Amino acid sequence: GENVEQHPSTLSVQEGDSAVIKCTYSDSASNYFPWYKQELGKRPQLIIDIRSNVGEKKDQRIAVTLNKTAKHFSLHITETQPEDSAVYFCAASRNNNDMRFGAGTRLTVKP
Amino acid sequence: KAGVTQTPRYLIKTRGQQVTLSCSPISGHRSVSWYQQTPGQGLQFLFEYFSETQRNKGNFPGRFSGRQFSNSRSEMNVSTLELGDSALYLCASSLFSITNYGYTFGSGTRLTVV
Repeated sequence: GENVEQHPSTLSVQEGDSAVIKCTYSDSASNYFPWYKQELGKRPQLIIDIRSNVGEKKDQRIAVTLNKTAKHFSLHITETQPEDSAVYFCAASRNNNDMRFGAGTRLTVKP
Repeated sequence: KAGVTQTPRYLIKTRGQQVTLSCSPISGHRSVSWYQQTPGQGLQFLFEYFSETQRNKGNFPGRFSGRQFSNSRSEMNVSTLELGDSALYLCASSLFSITNYGYTFGSGTRLTVV
């Protein structure tokens, strides 16, 4: 099955700086790559996703890039704010709903 | 529109017992997936059901089982509970295929095995 690795496991940045989280996947047939944000004590929520026919996608301060050849994708958060502090999970899946998650990155944005 | 509803929110069980958790997906969603979340292991995939059929299964022992009813509600069962089964169990629903619609998670059931 799919195996997703995520780095780093923890990330601390100053408010206003950028944060980058990277993931690699093993199954070349994976074609859907979502990112979820989980705040303390809350459910994971989808923040952005990308499909294999697209190399980059942006939504305000958040962007995701995908390199299918290298089988890795990244989340970029610019102008970080304290409310961006959370655990971020990447995931990868084929069409069959067998979605596998990375181990998570705990992002701390220091004011 | 109601979200994904999981019941109960909290459970305390003793070793050797069995437990059943329930998940009601968003109305119209036919796919329900279950995940185990622990601090050290992240989100581990248990299984996914679509139209009452188990479509995918993760690498958990046979003590973990599930089912889906005709109204898309799903249950998961854990038999012969072990201390290591203590975790937050999350279910997520999607309309048809996650490539089109993504997942919506419930708030989870926190299971403590003592």
